[in-house]
Amino acid sequence: QVQLVQSGAEVKKPGASVKVSCKASGYTFTSYDINWVRQATGQGLEWMGWMNPNSGNTGYAQKFQGRVTMTRNTSISTAYMELSSLRSEDTAVYYCARAPRIVVVATWFDPWGQGTLVTVSS
Amino acid sequence: SYELTQPLSVSVALGQTARITCGGNNIGSKNVHWYQQKPGQAPVLVIYRDSNRPSGIPERFSGSNSGNTATLTISRAQAGDEADYYCQVWDSSMVFGGGTKLTVL
Repeated sequence: QVQLVQSGAEVKKPGASVKVSCKASGYTFTSYDINWVRQATGQGLEWMGWMNPNSGNTGYAQKFQGRVTMTRNTSISTAYMELSSLRSEDTAVYYCARAPRIVVVATWFDPWGQGTLVTVSS
Repeated sequence: SYELTQPLSVSVALGQTARITCGGNNIGSKNVHWYQQKPGQAPVLVIYRDSNRPSGIPERFSGSNSGNTATLTISRAQAGDEADYYCQVWDSSMVFGGGTKLTVL
């Protein structure tokens, strides 16, 4: 079955960076985009950006421009999201999600990874 | 930036029909997708492109979209439908609604 499995929880200090991985299985990794969405405790969903694993092309939400980098390793069907200059407000669960490669105005997320808790604390 | 407005909470009696709305300017011209999220779990897609159900989602879940409001309808509500529900569209960026907590009484 199609599955996205993310790396484990992280604790980081303010100013540090975090890199979360998302390993895909059950489908051709390069045929679908990977998006990243985060959710602070008790809050809603916030989209961070997308990546085309085939080309490596990316698109980031304006809020995260300059702080987020999305990459991939196609040999192991794994996508990565790195967020730098962490602050306490970045404490959240980070999800990867697969998206069909269609016109962006129509695309949706299915399935999602299990989530990775990133805690930023001094 | 584009905003999606959802009610904070909706309550429905067991076995009755729940309707969760998602308001946005001319949202009827956009593709709306809906996700269900239970506590401690990742979101799950329940409706895509306004009214399509992914495989494995019960027929009790349906969607519509017109004018300034999209609606997720859950018929014959069950206790297991209790969850947060989010709508999502694209408007220069991916946008999520604030989420609606569905309580089944």
